[in-house]
Amino acid sequence: DQQVKQNSPSLSVQEGRISILNCDYTNSMFDYFLWYKKYPAEGPTFLISISSIKDKNEDGRFTVFLNKSAKHLSLHIVPSQPGDSAVYFCAASRQGGKLIFGQGTELSVKP
Amino acid sequence: KAGVTQTPRYLIKTRGQQVTLSCSPISGHRSVSWYQQTPGQGLQFLFEYFSETQRNKGNFPGRFSGRQFSNSRSEMNVSTLELGDSALYLCASSTGGASYNEQFFGPGTRLTVL
Repeated sequence: DQQVKQNSPSLSVQEGRISILNCDYTNSMFDYFLWYKKYPAEGPTFLISISSIKDKNEDGRFTVFLNKSAKHLSLHIVPSQPGDSAVYFCAASRQGGKLIFGQGTELSVKP
Repeated sequence: KAGVTQTPRYLIKTRGQQVTLSCSPISGHRSVSWYQQTPGQGLQFLFEYFSETQRNKGNFPGRFSGRQFSNSRSEMNVSTLELGDSALYLCASSTGGASYNEQFFGPGTRLTVL
């Protein structure tokens, strides 16, 4: 039972354009959501998070949007840079509970 | 501040053997979580230890076990290895408190079972 789903295994965008990565979840009890970025041969690194009491959180070029009614969150990267090419994982949890990760989306930003 | 370290980085074993992986968290972090990453499955949660006690557990068989020492270092053991256990095993540490979810990952141990 995949409670957190990233339905696009890969995404390719042009440098300077917007990258939008999507994530859906099924458990309405999740109250905290995170995005991680992973380069090959490295562990995932924390990127940005959002609590269920908010619908948007912004950090530089990265913005996460949360739509609780649709059980959907998205990560926007503007403008996209070649160094953003990596695998992006979304994750969700309940307070104090384990993190549930999606399958990941591989982003490729072409110069 | 040193990051999360995992040893060994690569490991090759045969079916039926057992393996022990080690994780040293960031200094001051008391929570260590373990994940299995396989292609198409994302990161599957194995278990989390906090102050030497298992606090959360995923849906893995009993062949997968772990422990945490008083210095917060953690080990994960897999007994009677199967081909399907081939994966990248990641550990992550956090303070374990309010920032529990903002975990810091190590580079992983790549386990290959032949």
